[in-house]
Amino acid sequence: ETVMTQSPATLSVSPGERATLSCRASQSVASNLAWYQQKPGQAPRLLIYAASLRATGVPARFSGSGSGTDFTLTISSLQSEDVALYYCQQYNDWPPLTFGGGTKVEIK
Amino acid sequence: EVQLVESGGALAQPGGSLRLACSASGFNFNIYPMSWVRQAPGKGLEWVSAVNPSGSTTYYANSIKGRFTISRDNSKEMVFLQLHSLRVEDTAIYYCAKRSDYGAFFDSWGQGALVAVSS
Repeated sequence: ETVMTQSPATLSVSPGERATLSCRASQSVASNLAWYQQKPGQAPRLLIYAASLRATGVPARFSGSGSGTDFTLTISSLQSEDVALYYCQQYNDWPPLTFGGGTKVEIK
Repeated sequence: EVQLVESGGALAQPGGSLRLACSASGFNFNIYPMSWVRQAPGKGLEWVSAVNPSGSTTYYANSIKGRFTISRDNSKEMVFLQLHSLRVEDTAIYYCAKRSDYGAFFDSWGQGALVAVSS
C-alpha cells in the first residue's frame, strides 16, 4: 500500500500571500496524483490531477507540481474562500486508492 | 450537469446492516467506474470500494473486505453499498464518487450519507 503523508497539518497564511502544501508518497506514484479541496460541511472537490493539471473551473491561482514521491500544491495568492482542508490522493498503484491526512489552510 | 445523490444513511447497532444507494444523472453512467469513499467524524478521506462499469469487477479496502459489498444497476443508474457486521469505527459520511476519464481519481462527488454505528 502506498502511504501518503501531507505537511504541515495546519497552514496559516495572510490574505494575498502564497500557500505551499506538501504531499509525500511512500513509493513512487509517477505523476498519478490528485489534489482535492474540502470546505466545511461539503463534499471534496477536485482541484488538480496528473500532479499539475487543473480541473475544469479551478482558478489559476491553484497550481500543482512534482513527480515520483514529492508533490506540492501552491495557492499563489490566498483568498478568504480558499480556507479549507486539502487532500492529496495517489492513483498509481491500487487497490487501495490512498489519500493523505490533509492540510488545513486558514487565514492568518 | 453530473449529479450524485446518496441515500440510506442511518443509525445502526454494532453487528447490524445497512444499504446505501447512490443515484446518478447527467453523464453516461454505463461507462464509468464508481467508488465509495468515507470520512469518519473529524478525520480524513478513506477509499472504501470501487466497481467497474459492467459491475463484474469489484475492489475493496482491507478494512471492510468481507463485510461490505458494492454493486450497481446500470438500468437504474444507481450504485449500492451493502454494509454488514457494522462496527463503531464504520461511523462516517459515505460519499459516492465518479471516476474521471483520466485515471482513478474522482471528478464528481455526492453530498454524502451519514452512517452512525452505536449501541
